[in-house]
Parts: sequence; C-alpha cells; structure tokens
Amino acid sequence: DAGVIQSPRHEVTEMGQEVTLRCKPISGHNSLFWYRQTMMRGLELLIYFNNNVPIDDSGMPEDRFSAKMPNASFSTLKIQPSEPRDSAVYFCASSPGLAWGNTQYFGPGTRLTVL
Amino acid sequence: AQTVTQSQPEMSVQEAETVTLSCTYDTSESDYYLFWYKQPPSRQMILVIRQEAYKQQNATENRFSVNFQKAAKSFSLKISDSQLGDAAMYFCAYTGANSKLTFGKGITLSVRP
Repeated sequence: DAGVIQSPRHEVTEMGQEVTLRCKPISGHNSLFWYRQTMMRGLELLIYFNNNVPIDDSGMPEDRFSAKMPNASFSTLKIQPSEPRDSAVYFCASSPGLAWGNTQYFGPGTRLTVL
Repeated sequence: AQTVTQSQPEMSVQEAETVTLSCTYDTSESDYYLFWYKQPPSRQMILVIRQEAYKQQNATENRFSVNFQKAAKSFSLKISDSQLGDAAMYFCAYTGANSKLTFGKGITLSVRP
C-alpha cells in the first residue's frame, strides 16, 4: 500500500509568491495533519483534519497560511504571500482516525526555500 | 500543556554496541501514548516504536526496546546491536486525549563503523 504522498519534494520560490503544498493521505485514513519542521522550533503541528473537516488550526502561524481538504484523498497547504522565514520542511501525516493513540504516518516532506 | 524533553542533542555508538536515548515528558493525563520516530537523512519520519501508558510491559520491536517509567515520566529507547543504518535523528513524541503529537527536539545518533 502506498504511504503518504507529498508534492513537490522541493520548492524554491521568491518572497511574495504563492506556494501550494500537496498531500495525499493513506487510503482509508480519516485524519490528516500538517507539520512544519525548522531547526529553531523543531516539529510543530500547524493544522489537522478529521473526515475532511478542520479540527484545530491553532498552530497556523499567520493568516498567510491556509489549508484545505476538499476530499478524503487530497489536502493542500497554501502560503500567500510567502516570506523567507517560511523556509522549512513541511510534513503531512495521516492516521486511521482521531481515536486515542492512533499512529500517525508521515510523508517524505516538502523542503520549501523562500528567497 | 504537555512537554517532551530530549536533553541530549547528540550521541555516538560503536557498530554492534548498545545505546540508550533518553526522553522525559510532563503531563497531567493518566492515559496517553508515547512514540519514538526515526528521521534519517532522507527526511522521512519513520515510526520506530509505540508505548501505551496503561501497559506495564515495555514495548519491543526487534532490536529496539523502551524503558518506560511512568512515575518518573521517562521513556528511553534502547537500540541493541547498532547498525550503520541506525544513524539518524530520533524524536520522542507524546499524544494524549487531544490526539495531537508533541515532539521533543530530537537527538542525532551517529554510528561508528
């Protein structure tokens, strides 16, 4: 079975541009999580969905960040406009559901560089 | 709020030897889950092992085992017979009733041939 798929793997853009990161969760998983990893702050949860509905977006840093999950097999994280401090690795993870203790399975990440 | 602390930023082990990575956490919850994830240079976050807090028995997965001390809020990972492929960053993580994963800062493990 395919794992979590993220695209692109690498993204280099200029400050002010719109960036869209994509994620396809594991088939049958009902929960999806977006994380950001930086040297300074480590791994931070940005937002998560359950059954395509956003449950908690308290980790989204600013209004420039938005996430959607239009269906069970696709989610996007958008940054508009992007800034150099957004440079990080962005991970998507999925789990069977929000039941206590469900393991989250991570995608390979997208390394974003904003110049 | 829950916190996870990995106080050692780096460790090194000789190939075929055993190494223990430390993790402590703070929580007011009585039931929760703890995880160790491995992140090799490829960046992929890979689940190594999972422990349920209400289970007394320490989890084991092949060469990987944990020492879970609930009263001390300690959750260390032991890697036996270390292999070159074990070189990676290792993250300890906690999840409780809110289903959110809280990660420690990670520890970089190097394996000497």
